[in-house]
Amino acid sequence: KNQVEQSPQSLIILEGKNCTLQCNYTVSPFSNLRWYKQDTGRGPVSLTIMTFSENTKSNGRYTATLDADTKQSSLHITASQLSDSASYICVVRGGSYIPTFGRGTSLIVHP
Amino acid sequence: DSGVTQTPKHLITATGQRVTLRCSPRSGDLSVYWYQQSLDQGLQFLIQYYNGEERAKGNILERFSAQQFPDLHSELNLSSLELGDSALYFCASSVDPPRGDTDTQYFGPGTRLTVL
Repeated sequence: KNQVEQSPQSLIILEGKNCTLQCNYTVSPFSNLRWYKQDTGRGPVSLTIMTFSENTKSNGRYTATLDADTKQSSLHITASQLSDSASYICVVRGGSYIPTFGRGTSLIVHP
Repeated sequence: DSGVTQTPKHLITATGQRVTLRCSPRSGDLSVYWYQQSLDQGLQFLIQYYNGEERAKGNILERFSAQQFPDLHSELNLSSLELGDSALYFCASSVDPPRGDTDTQYFGPGTRLTVL
């Protein structure tokens, strides 16, 4: 069964600090992996997308990595800001049209 | 603003009732997806339509149905509502076929459904 597991479930950090969120998946075959940011009560917004041949992708202070051999991805946030407080969702697409969503990591950035 | 619109923003109704949620995709997007997000669950994929035809079905209950019209807007119909149907319902749209960078899904603001 295709699954996407994210850790930690929640994370609290101080403004200015870095953090790393993890995503492990069992989806096979693999097509792409995407990280979304979802602010409370709003729709998710795509941050990065990586295909099999890519192992790192940056979007400003967000850097995603992918290890297709171990089926792991991480999202690193540098110099966190209060506006980074949100849920971060890992989504993996395999051979079908249906993406598999992780349950997300809730990040809270305190001043 | 993603370019995807959903109406209504909020909906409060009673158990046993039927409601219709509406979604207009981004201009040029042929695929529409519906998702349910409740407090204790992540995003759950319900159904996808492409250019008027059902393409993929996820965890959609038999009490729920959807369709995509010739102008590409979509409606999600929820009937015989139960308390557990209270959730945020998101619509997303994308360019099709969903491969590589072209499968970015753009999400609407959601409809919050409360069943009392």
